[in-house]
Amino acid sequence: EVQLVESGGDLVPPGGSLRLSCAASGFTFNTYWMHWVRQAPGKGLMWVSHINSDGSGARYADSVKGRFTVSRDNSKNTLYLEMRRLRAEDTGLYFCVRDRRRFGFDPWGQGTLVTVSP
Amino acid sequence: QSALTQPASVSGSPGQSITISCTGITSDGDNYNYVSWYQQHPGKAPKVIIFDVSDRPSGVSDRFSGSKSGNTASLTISGLQAEDEAEYFCNLHTSDSTLCVFGTGTKVTV
Repeated sequence: EVQLVESGGDLVPPGGSLRLSCAASGFTFNTYWMHWVRQAPGKGLMWVSHINSDGSGARYADSVKGRFTVSRDNSKNTLYLEMRRLRAEDTGLYFCVRDRRRFGFDPWGQGTLVTVSP
Repeated sequence: QSALTQPASVSGSPGQSITISCTGITSDGDNYNYVSWYQQHPGKAPKVIIFDVSDRPSGVSDRFSGSKSGNTASLTISGLQAEDEAEYFCNLHTSDSTLCVFGTGTKVTV
């Protein structure tokens, strides 16, 4: 069974840092692009970042560019999101998703909650 | 590419068909547009129901269908069932600097 399990979400003050992890299983991790998508409480979805299959290329949404860094360890089947200079508007549930087909996201993890608040 | 607009809510009776629109897709001759649709039940992670405008993943009911015309993509749910009550999001992948944008979301009530 294809599975994505996120972890690392926490309550952090504005300006703080956090690293999210996503453990993948049930598929050949090193052949897929991976993404992070977030959802603010009660709001819609926002694409955050993606990384290609070997980790050599990544892209970011403008609102997180320069503050977030996506990476992966294919030997550990794990995706990461390093978040710095966090802002209140970064609060939300962060989903790890597999790129099944041209930014077609399947499956999704259950999400990990990041709360940025004093 | 700017934000994609969806109606905030759509409702229908069991057995009816409804269509959810996703507008604001800007077309450029050199850009490609890949539209996907996601269903999200309360407290759950989203689930893909349509890839590449109109392709349905295996395991997704054939009551769901997608299309695109001009600057609007659409999701049609036919034979509406109680289990279809959820929020639906469109998503666009383009080759411009935006790269990926979600629609505003539509709450479907049966």
